Amino acid sequence: SAVISQKPSRDICQRGTSLTIQCQVDSQVTMMFWYRQQPGQSLTLIATANQGSEATYESGFVIDKFPISRPNLTFSTLTVSNMSPEDSSIYLCSVVPQGSSYEQYFGPGTRLTVT
Amino acid sequence: GQSLEQPSEVTAVEGAIVQINCTYQTSGFYGLSWYQQHDGGAPTFLSYNALDGLEETGRFSSFLSRSDSYGYLLLQELQMKDSASYFCAVRDLNQAGTALIFGKGTTLSVSS
Repeated sequence: SAVISQKPSRDICQRGTSLTIQCQVDSQVTMMFWYRQQPGQSLTLIATANQGSEATYESGFVIDKFPISRPNLTFSTLTVSNMSPEDSSIYLCSVVPQGSSYEQYFGPGTRLTVT
Repeated sequence: GQSLEQPSEVTAVEGAIVQINCTYQTSGFYGLSWYQQHDGGAPTFLSYNALDGLEETGRFSSFLSRSDSYGYLLLQELQMKDSASYFCAVRDLNQAGTALIFGKGTTLSVSS
């Protein structure tokens, strides 16, 4: 299993600013992902965070808007840049622990409101 | 691309049995998973099927038919605490390896 913490848990930000969300896992993991979830909606995969290299982004998401870092096997950050109200959402970090091939764990999420 | 279809809402009473269906279309297929999410909470893993057949875990069971691109989650002896959203998800190939892609979710409401 894996215990995931995210900071901040929530934030209210002004349009045009940027916010960096941190994800910390209590054990080494093979894969880390970032998802976005609008309230009452499904989870949309933003990108796979690759250790020591550039993240792999899904269609519709770009590095300039959502830069991601993953310096080691237990930590990653997602930055939401030049925010607009459309970026208001819950952002979730997710991991696949070492030794697991299919079970994925999710962090508690960061609830972002852009005004 | 991928698509997953599941009912948007299901209602039932305590003690009943509910089946939530999921059909999927993916370019690759590495298993069908089910996740539960309570309001304000994080999704939590319920079950995984890589091969055809039924997997049982306590009150919850999950079924997969790869030839039909179809699966379901069966919840028995429903309890009020089972009121939540349930997502089917497929693990599909992407440029980084594989990633979990989610359906739109089914909101289950259990009443007394």
